[in-house]
Amino acid sequence: DAKTTQPPSMDCAEGRAANLPCNHSTISGNEYVYWYRQIHSQGPQYIIHGLKNNETNEMASLIITEDRKSSTLILPHATLRDTAVYYCIVRVVSNSGYALNFGKGTSLLVTP
Amino acid sequence: KAGVTQTPRYLIKTRGQQVTLSCSPISGHRSVSWYQQTPGQGLQFLFEYFSETQRNKGNFPGRFSGRQFSNSRSEMNVSTLELGDSALYLCASSLGAGGLVDTEAFFGQGTRLTVV
Repeated sequence: DAKTTQPPSMDCAEGRAANLPCNHSTISGNEYVYWYRQIHSQGPQYIIHGLKNNETNEMASLIITEDRKSSTLILPHATLRDTAVYYCIVRVVSNSGYALNFGKGTSLLVTP
Repeated sequence: KAGVTQTPRYLIKTRGQQVTLSCSPISGHRSVSWYQQTPGQGLQFLFEYFSETQRNKGNFPGRFSGRQFSNSRSEMNVSTLELGDSALYLCASSLGAGGLVDTEAFFGQGTRLTVV
């Protein structure tokens, strides 16, 4: 799986959009970008994933650049409950198993 | 439907002892993965079981082992405990079929192991 680079921490005001960047310059054509988050003392929670098209679900939007070397997770209206560590993971989706390589992630603090 | 259940939630053991942790996946899920989380190393993959067979393994010593039963429940065992094994141990379940079917893994709340 390709290596990812994320800023260690970010702040966002409540109600504003939180834009979390991720660099994955060595991504290959069959690797997907996944985002998970972990709220303190809880297990990680899946947010969204994508291959090359932008994706949106009820939680967030994922914007992947055309060259696929980077992506941005967007929480459109951040709330205090979105304070968490956000992990960007690149993995091949296949029948070879489900092993996630979490990096250090970005610690997002949403402030009132 | 019920989520991933890990037992016990908290555990205190002494150096040199061994410990067994349990994980019950979501009904119908056949893949169970185990992770170790420490402040220093973050979240690290231990191993994954699918249909009672270990399918993937992370870079951990042989003191860490696991197994999966026919009902997909999984256990993780750590022998000869060391102080550095103190961590939050998380398990995740997924359908395990591979391909786009496996879009996400569902994590349990974890077992907090303290070795003294």
